[in-house]
Amino acid sequence: GESVGLHLPTLSVQEGDNSIINCAYSNSASDYFIWYKQESGKGPQFIIDIRSNMDKRQGQRVTVLLNKTVKHLSLQIAATQPGDSAVYFCALGEAGTALIFGKGTTLSVSS
Amino acid sequence: DSGVTQTPKHLITATGQRVTLRCSPRSGDLSVYWYQQSLDQGLQFLIQYYNGEERAKGNILERFSAQQFPDLHSELNLSSLELGDSALYFCASSVGDRDSETQYFGPGTRLLVL
Repeated sequence: GESVGLHLPTLSVQEGDNSIINCAYSNSASDYFIWYKQESGKGPQFIIDIRSNMDKRQGQRVTVLLNKTVKHLSLQIAATQPGDSAVYFCALGEAGTALIFGKGTTLSVSS
Repeated sequence: DSGVTQTPKHLITATGQRVTLRCSPRSGDLSVYWYQQSLDQGLQFLIQYYNGEERAKGNILERFSAQQFPDLHSELNLSSLELGDSALYFCASSVGDRDSETQYFGPGTRLLVL
């Protein structure tokens, strides 16, 4: 079945740095990819998504990159702020299946 | 605020008991999803309902059941509770029933089974 993994369970950065959170997946049939942010005690919050016909998509301070060749997804956060501290999940979608979530990367931002 | 509401926020109960978790989707959303999140675990998909009918099933135990009502709110029933059922339970909603569409999550119900 599909598996979703993250390269690092934790990431610590300084305020103002750029953060990169990675996600690897195994199923080449995955056609929809989402990043969620989960703050302590809250539900996952949608950040940005990308479909398999795209390689890059930008939002406000966030960029998602998709490399289908190596089955790799990344989330880049520019000028990371303390409020960005949270757990970040990637999720994959494929026709006929429910979204599959990775285990999450905990981002810690220090001032 | 995602627009998805869940009640109660916290629930403490004993082993062997039965509880009901409630979810109201965003206005206009027809699909409701239930997830379980245990400590150190990712989000485990339990079940999806679309416009009142079961659409997809994930790792949902036989002791658990759900339904979606005509007003589109959903309830997740957990029975014969065990200590291992202690977890965060999230509801999410989306507009339609396509697999590849954004799901918006509620704040969750924290269940503690003693």
